[in-house]
Amino acid sequence: DQQVKQNSPSLSVQEGRISILNCDYTNSMFDYFLWYKKYPAEGPTFLISISSIKDKNEDGRFTVFLNKSAKHLSLHIVPSQPGDSAVYFCAASGASGGGADGLTFGKGTHLIIQP
Amino acid sequence: GAGVSQSPSNKVTEKGKDVELRCDPISGHTALYWYRQSLGQGLEFLIYFQGNSAPDKSGLPSDRFSAERTGGSVSTLTIQRTQQEDSAVYLCASSLVGAYGYTFGSGTRLTVV
Repeated sequence: DQQVKQNSPSLSVQEGRISILNCDYTNSMFDYFLWYKKYPAEGPTFLISISSIKDKNEDGRFTVFLNKSAKHLSLHIVPSQPGDSAVYFCAASGASGGGADGLTFGKGTHLIIQP
Repeated sequence: GAGVSQSPSNKVTEKGKDVELRCDPISGHTALYWYRQSLGQGLEFLIYFQGNSAPDKSGLPSDRFSAERTGGSVSTLTIQRTQQEDSAVYLCASSLVGAYGYTFGSGTRLTVV
């Protein structure tokens, strides 16, 4: 039973436009959410996170929105750049802070930025 | 070191053989994690070390899997009597205690033939 779902395996966006990646979760105990970016043959790199006490966190071109009532979060990238082409993983953590329980990851969305 | 180092980067082994995967975390990171990513799947959490101690080993897929960490640094993940379903990328990550943003290594791609 997948607790973190990324329903779009891939997404194609034109350079300069906004990329919106979506993530849904089922476990109401999750209280911290993260996005990771992964290039081929590399490990995932941490991108941005949000605590459940907030509904928005912004870092440069990247903004994460959290809708707790809908158990939904999204990552917005604007403007999209060619270097943003990668697989994006959504991850969630419970009260243990990602320690002994680790992070629960979605299957990822492959973002392709078209020139 | 500057990042999390994993070795080997690729490993092809015959079914039934044992393999040992190594992770060298960032110096000073006391928390260490092992994940695996099977084809088309997300990252599956395997085990967490705080220092040399792993409080919960229930995430390991079977009793053929074991992990240890010595000196609060290097960790090894050992898979005994490998099976084809063990084929995956095994990722190690480290962090400061309480930090959510892990630093991942590049992984070991294990192929069991």
